[in-house]
Amino acid sequence: GAGVSQSPRYKVAKRGQDVALRCDPISGHVSLFWYQQALGQGPEFLTYFQNEAQLDKSGLPSDRFFAERPEGSVSTLKIQRTQQEDSAVYLCASSNLGHNTGELFFGEGSRLTVL
Amino acid sequence: DQQVKQNSPSLSVQEGRISILNCDYTNSMFDYFLWYKKYPAEGPTFLISISSIKDKNEDGRFTVFLNKSAKHLSLHIVPSQPGDSAVYFCASAGAGSYQLTFGKGTKLSVIP
Repeated sequence: GAGVSQSPRYKVAKRGQDVALRCDPISGHVSLFWYQQALGQGPEFLTYFQNEAQLDKSGLPSDRFFAERPEGSVSTLKIQRTQQEDSAVYLCASSNLGHNTGELFFGEGSRLTVL
Repeated sequence: DQQVKQNSPSLSVQEGRISILNCDYTNSMFDYFLWYKKYPAEGPTFLISISSIKDKNEDGRFTVFLNKSAKHLSLHIVPSQPGDSAVYFCASAGAGSYQLTFGKGTKLSVIP
């Protein structure tokens, strides 16, 4: 497809389970971002990739969160030992620029619910 | 501490009238500002942006105004249409930064 694709759209996990969220960016976009959006809040930055290099992971809330983009295209956000506070929509975005003077193209998000 | 604030959680406007959405920021290092629009169950989509060297940017029915001294920006939609009903997020970034800082959003309802 032409847009950013994320899967799964919805994920329910029991507390303590590991989850993996996938992002397929727009073809050719070098920059890829993950944002977390809690209920009633705006998106919050998690991490940024330029091609396969993870240039910034300062927004990851804990060492239970891990992101990778091994071939500079598809990215996976992994959350280990999920906690209830991890419940949120995880948004992936891509851009063909390395900085924010251009727009980000967001996917529809993966809604994670931790019971 | 929220660096980008949208103090109105919701706004209702009659079709054909002007919608004005407001945003305040605290970080003086921010120099690029964007508005995103979000429909339910969809990701945010880019609407319009403005650089700090400007005080106004216009794109069709949408105009963004920036008042740097007041650290305030606003989005004007005129005339408002029912299809404009969505949540609008204000976002900001520093020079050369790739991190966007978002506000909490304002839900706009345009009443036919």
